[in-house]
Amino acid sequence: GDSVTQMEGPVTLSEEAFLTINCTYTATGYPSLFWYVQYPGEGLQLLLKATKADDKGSNKGFEATYRKETTSFHLEKGSVQVSDSAVYFCALSDQDTGFQKLVFGTGTRLLVSP
Amino acid sequence: NAGVTQTPKFQVLKTGQSMTLQCAQDMNHEYMSWYRQDPGMGLRLIHYSVGAGITDQGEVPNGYNVSRSTTEDFPLRLLSAAPSQTSVYFCASSYSTSGDKETQYFGPGTRLLVL
Repeated sequence: GDSVTQMEGPVTLSEEAFLTINCTYTATGYPSLFWYVQYPGEGLQLLLKATKADDKGSNKGFEATYRKETTSFHLEKGSVQVSDSAVYFCALSDQDTGFQKLVFGTGTRLLVSP
Repeated sequence: NAGVTQTPKFQVLKTGQSMTLQCAQDMNHEYMSWYRQDPGMGLRLIHYSVGAGITDQGEVPNGYNVSRSTTEDFPLRLLSAAPSQTSVYFCASSYSTSGDKETQYFGPGTRLLVL
């Protein structure tokens, strides 16, 4: 079945450091790929997405490129802030129609210190 | 809009007790779903619904029931709670005719402890 693998955390960075969170996937079809973020005490919210190979999703300074050849969707940000401290989930969905069942990775906690 | 709301925020149950977790959305979304979040396992789909009167099982449906009598509400019922159901539960909704099908909107979660 489909699966998503994320790097284990926590990832601890100083403010203004460069961030990479690795994500690779296994899927039978051509899935859509997502990054969701969960701030402390809150539900998940969509950060960015990409629906086909070579697409780049971006939002709030975060970017991720859909790489079909390496089955990857790594999350990057050039300069993190303390407010970026959260848990980041990589996910995929491979339904063409109807309800989009999301398959999540285990999440990566990011801690940014001043 | 309030988005997706969930009640209660926190609940403690004894083994064998029953309870209903409430979920409501005001975005006129067709699809609603329930996930549980456990340490080291990400989120797993319990049940989902593609419209009023239509529900289906997800990855981990055992021990849970759902129904969808209105577009807005999608309650999750635990018939006889077990310690293995200790988790954080998230409700999500998606898809209106004017929006995309893929983006899911999550509620703030219900933390459940079963003793």
